[in-house]
Amino acid sequence: SQELEQSPQSLIVQEGKNLTINCTSSKTLYGLYWYKQKYGEGLIFLMMLQKGGEEKSHEKITAKLDEKKQQSSLHITASQPSHAGIYLCGAGNTGFQKLVFGTGTRLLVSP
Amino acid sequence: GAVVSQHPSWVICKSGTSVKIECRSLDFQATTMFWYRQFPKQSLMLMATSNEGSKATYEQGVEKDKFLINHASLTLSTLTVTSAHPEDSSFYICSAREYSTGTDQPQHFGDGTRLSIL
Repeated sequence: SQELEQSPQSLIVQEGKNLTINCTSSKTLYGLYWYKQKYGEGLIFLMMLQKGGEEKSHEKITAKLDEKKQQSSLHITASQPSHAGIYLCGAGNTGFQKLVFGTGTRLLVSP
Repeated sequence: GAVVSQHPSWVICKSGTSVKIECRSLDFQATTMFWYRQFPKQSLMLMATSNEGSKATYEQGVEKDKFLINHASLTLSTLTVTSAHPEDSSFYICSAREYSTGTDQPQHFGDGTRLSIL
């Protein structure tokens, strides 16, 4: 079965700093989702990457998919306290029916 | 758009009680809904996939008779935890995927239900 390993597991950055979260798959990635979860709440959809080399941005968050490396990265520029939460990557099968989620990265942004 | 409502958000009940959790897609039709379970400081674990009008597909290790799933309409799926015991205490989250004929659609998640069994 597919497994997704995220790094780092947790991260504390000062407000205004940039940061990168990585998601590495044990199997071929047909596509990848990034979600954000606030503690004790549901998941907020951030981005979906479907093609190798694809890069998407939303506000100050950019995500890339490297199919050859079976990896995706999420980059936040000029972090703000509102970026704090748990970031989860999710990968689907060819039909994107079921998702397997990564181990999660807990982000804290200090003022 | 793509709002998923999950109710209740918090349940505390006695051991042996059955608890029903509802998951509704408010502004789209969801042919497929998913139920997840999340333990503290851990990632989401898929419990089952439900398609409207058919039986749910359960993941390995998930008891079908313990976790009853019904997906009677394109906007509503329910999860019933039957005869709940303290070990069933957890955070349960549902998601819904909008029907699409060609492009992949993301799963949209509810806010979760925190279940505590005394």
